Amino acid sequence: QVQLVESGGTVVRPGGSLRLSCAASGFTFKVFGMHWVRQAPGKGLEWVAAVSYDGSTKSYVDSVKGRFTISRDNSKNTLSLQMNSLKPEDTAVYYCANNGLGYSNEYWGQGTLVTVSS
Amino acid sequence: QSALTQPPSASGSPGQSVTIPCTGTSSDVGYYNFVSWYQQRPGKAPKLIIYEVTKRPSGVPDRFSGSKSGNTASLTVSGLQADDEADYYCSSYAGGDMSCVFGTGTTVTVL
Repeated sequence: QVQLVESGGTVVRPGGSLRLSCAASGFTFKVFGMHWVRQAPGKGLEWVAAVSYDGSTKSYVDSVKGRFTISRDNSKNTLSLQMNSLKPEDTAVYYCANNGLGYSNEYWGQGTLVTVSS
Repeated sequence: QSALTQPPSASGSPGQSVTIPCTGTSSDVGYYNFVSWYQQRPGKAPKLIIYEVTKRPSGVPDRFSGSKSGNTASLTVSGLQADDEADYYCSSYAGGDMSCVFGTGTTVTVL
């Protein structure tokens, strides 16, 4: 069955860096664009970044541009999010999700918690 | 990249219907027929229930339906059941390179 498993979430100090990973299985990873979506504690969903199926196209929400980098390794079925210059407002559960029909997200991981705090 | 606007809460009695509006702009909801809806239960990942404004993924009951008029999309849950209590989020493609935007979310309560 389809599985997306995020990892890498932890507590990090403001200004620090962190790399999240998402391991995909059960579907043909290399043909799907992928997204990162986050949810701050008690808040709503926020789209963060997306990458095309081949990694050639990337897009970001304005609040993370220049600080976060999305990437993928189709040989390892892995999606990544490199997060630099972290701020307290980046504290959230980070989900990876596929880019499905009509830019919907059919498959989701269970999320990984990133806490930015001193 | 402003969030789509949803009411914070909606409610209905079992068997009734509830409709949740999702208001965007002429650059997202109003321009593209790429509106999705998600159901999220506490502590769980979101679940896709509507895509491309009106389509339901396999396994989603036909009690869930979507529509759009102008810059506002709507999700209707008919025949409300206790199990429908959850948070609901809309999402729209926002143009450019795969950028998307989510709604502010609506908590549905079954009275």
